[in-house]
Amino acid sequence: SSVLTQPPSVSVAPGMTATITCGGDNLGVKAVHWNQQKPGQAPVLVMSYGSDRPSGIPERFSGSISRNTATLTISRVEVGDEADYYCQVWDSGADHVLFGGGTKLTVL
Amino acid sequence: QVQLVQSGPEVKKPGSSVRVSCKASGGTFDNYVFSWVRQAPGQGLEWVGRIIPAFDIGKNGQKFLDRVTISADKVTATVYMEMTSLRSEDTAVYYCTRSRSEMTTSDGFAYWGLGTLVTVST
Repeated sequence: SSVLTQPPSVSVAPGMTATITCGGDNLGVKAVHWNQQKPGQAPVLVMSYGSDRPSGIPERFSGSISRNTATLTISRVEVGDEADYYCQVWDSGADHVLFGGGTKLTVL
Repeated sequence: QVQLVQSGPEVKKPGSSVRVSCKASGGTFDNYVFSWVRQAPGQGLEWVGRIIPAFDIGKNGQKFLDRVTISADKVTATVYMEMTSLRSEDTAVYYCTRSRSEMTTSDGFAYWGLGTLVTVST
């Protein structure tokens, strides 16, 4: 399947942990990335290859991949983390890029 | 630092064409992967296609095989995305992106332009 499934929304209180999932076939053997997009801004890469945090991204952001699920975890959530989060996969077979539908993170 | 500067907003009639440019600076150009991603109003991200300027061959997403041409000018370090036969559903912000690593099509999009709004309307 070439579909990436994300929950439409996740809500969390400040200081707590947010978990955003991305489901798809055999994600454990694919290049999975996560992008954060705040309103009116271009997206920003916050996690690369499942668990590699780019320079400048806080250590509160972490990632993992199991067989069919990639997970972005944000610890000690801050109001400034409120954004849409998109998972992204490179499908080597078809040689194209897929995005999940996005998850809106609301910090209550 | 790497910067991707995109051309300004466009308003086009249905059936016409548009070309959006993206000038890269702050790093080398030829060996990186440049992709175009679009976002319709209130919607998610959609990959349009990519090019590696050194190879000068674009790769389009399935939905854009017949209508999109992605090209690069190595002299000016500029990437272009041309879309033909525009329809209202093509109204979107079009983002130019660059990979973190050279020659790596699996890479995440480490750098993004600010986006170009293309409006297709009668």
